[in-house]
Amino acid sequence: EAQVTQNPRYLITVTGKKLTVTCSQNMNHEYMSWYRQDPGLGLRQIYYSMNVEVTDKGDVPEGYKVSRKEKRNFPLILESPSPNQTSLYFCASSAATAYEQYFGPGTRLTVT
Amino acid sequence: GESVGLHLPTLSVQEGDNSIINCAYSNSASDYFIWYKQESGKGPQFIIDIRSNMDKRQGQRVTVLLNKTVKHLSLQIAATQPGDSAVYFCAVFSGGYQKVTFGTGTKLQVIP
Repeated sequence: EAQVTQNPRYLITVTGKKLTVTCSQNMNHEYMSWYRQDPGLGLRQIYYSMNVEVTDKGDVPEGYKVSRKEKRNFPLILESPSPNQTSLYFCASSAATAYEQYFGPGTRLTVT
Repeated sequence: GESVGLHLPTLSVQEGDNSIINCAYSNSASDYFIWYKQESGKGPQFIIDIRSNMDKRQGQRVTVLLNKTVKHLSLQIAATQPGDSAVYFCAVFSGGYQKVTFGTGTKLQVIP
């Protein structure tokens, strides 16, 4: 089954404790992206990657890091999480562009 | 930059009636538009898209209308069913396939 998986689905952590949210897709997609979704705001892009070893900032990259060492994986790293990063995070992938992205199920992160 | 808004945060519709969900955008150079459906606890799911050289596009029970003059697009769902209950939001592409702005979403509630 073609899908985008994220782990963990739920995470509660404390300020400053480094964490990684994994994202994996099995569709051999080149384009992958991370978004955060907050109440009253639309999805906002954090980072995206056009291919292996190619990443670029989205609209809200501050406080986040990503890496794309393999085509299927695109982890999101929070080196020092803060409460304002409490949000619902989505990973997405598509064949080549931001068009027709397939979204993962989301990771709900709470930073206390 | 692009701003995207929806006219109503919540829409309640009787089962069997037609639903209309609206989206307004600000950038007249926007050239590609997508409607997504997001069910509770899930990631967004592609419904239908339209390019700026079109005014209307139809899918299965869904129609998207684009009015470039007033920078407005709408999603029409025919014979709304309980399974249509979800949050619907538009995505607007401006200046290429990498830059996308998402609307905040309209929650559609179907009354049995």
